Amino acid sequence: GQQVMQIPQYQHVQEGEDFTTYCNSSTTLSNIQWYKQRPGGHPVFLIQLVKSGEVKKQKRLTFQFGEAKKNSSLHITATQTTDVGTYFCAGGGYNKLIFGAGTRLAVHP
Amino acid sequence: NAGVMQNPRHLVRRRGQEARLRCSPMKGHSHVYWYRQLPEEGLKFMVYLQKENIIDESGMPKERFSAEFPKEGPSILRIQQVVRGDSAAYFCASSQGSDLYGYTFGSGTRLTVV
Repeated sequence: GQQVMQIPQYQHVQEGEDFTTYCNSSTTLSNIQWYKQRPGGHPVFLIQLVKSGEVKKQKRLTFQFGEAKKNSSLHITATQTTDVGTYFCAGGGYNKLIFGAGTRLAVHP
Repeated sequence: NAGVMQNPRHLVRRRGQEARLRCSPMKGHSHVYWYRQLPEEGLKFMVYLQKENIIDESGMPKERFSAEFPKEGPSILRIQQVVRGDSAAYFCASSQGSDLYGYTFGSGTRLTVV
């Protein structure tokens, strides 16, 4: 079945450093979505990418969807302590989203 | 406009008991999904339902687990004869459609089996 892999599993950064998480699918995706989950919280939808090669920005966050629609990345510029949490990518599969294992981001002040 | 409502937030059950988890989707959303999250892990798909229909239950264990979304009332995830390995956070999400729409997640039910 479809698998979505995400790396790295953990990332520790100093406040102000950049951060990137990568997502790869075993199959071509109809779309890719990104979610953020704060410690003890629930996943919150961030964005959806649909088109091949699409790039979207939300303030310090930049999301990319690969040309082959099998990979994606999330880049955070100049991290802040409020960025702490786990970032999940989720691939559009038939009837449901398949989530990656997530990248846990720790930001040290 | 209330979001996805899940209850209870925390549930403690002894081994062998039944656990019932409830989820009311966001207003206007007719698609409900249940996901399980073990500590420090990702979200594992369990089941996708629409009103009175199970659309995809490929992630549900074959035994002891069942889900429904009746015409009236919330969606229910039922776990019979719970075991320690069922301890996890169970998240419900709703959306306007299938995988082409962002999901709105509830706050989850943390199930602890003792």
